Amino acid sequence: DVKVTQSSRYLVKRTGEKVFLECVQDMDHENMFWYRQDPGLGLRLIYFSYDVKMKEKGDIPEGYSVSREKKERFSLILESASTNQTSMYLCASSQDRAYGYTFGSGTRLTVV
Amino acid sequence: SQQGEEDPQALSIQEGENATMNCSYKTSINNLQWYRQNSGRGLVHLILIRSNEREKHSGRLRVTLDTSKKSSSLLITASRAADTASYFCATDERDSWGKLQFGAGTQVVVTP
Repeated sequence: DVKVTQSSRYLVKRTGEKVFLECVQDMDHENMFWYRQDPGLGLRLIYFSYDVKMKEKGDIPEGYSVSREKKERFSLILESASTNQTSMYLCASSQDRAYGYTFGSGTRLTVV
Repeated sequence: SQQGEEDPQALSIQEGENATMNCSYKTSINNLQWYRQNSGRGLVHLILIRSNEREKHSGRLRVTLDTSKKSSSLLITASRAADTASYFCATDERDSWGKLQFGAGTQVVVTP
């Protein structure tokens, strides 16, 4: 089974901190995605990547950046955490568009 | 932007009953997918239906797609308590290169 591992289940950070959320997949998938999930809003795409060192903005990239130095790892960076970035963050990977996504278990981030 | 809209927002049924939820979307798609999320966890891919397919089955799941009405339905037959979860539809839009747009989800509670 494909596994997508997110490094932390819960994180508490202070306003203004730089925050790194790590995601690793073990099945050589080309495509990786970062979403945030908020009640009543569903999942919203932050950034995605179709290849190493490649990144594309999603629907809500403001306040975030990403890094993909190796195929298996896709990191989400909150440059200066703010309270409105308190959310559940979900990483996913996929082989190609003919297949569904495999999601990690999520990181629940609280910014205080 | 949110593409899929699920209906109803919440559904409460008893074990053994069928659960039906609907998804409407706005643009042309390559495929539509359904996911399940247990409380506080990542999403699990259930089924993918391509735009040229009208119906698909997987175990107790039946998905229909009507591209003329831009709508899909997910039927869970003979529900079990373990089916309690949130269910999301996600659309792969034609020009999106495999990015998925998710709806806000239907919360299903199955009582014994």
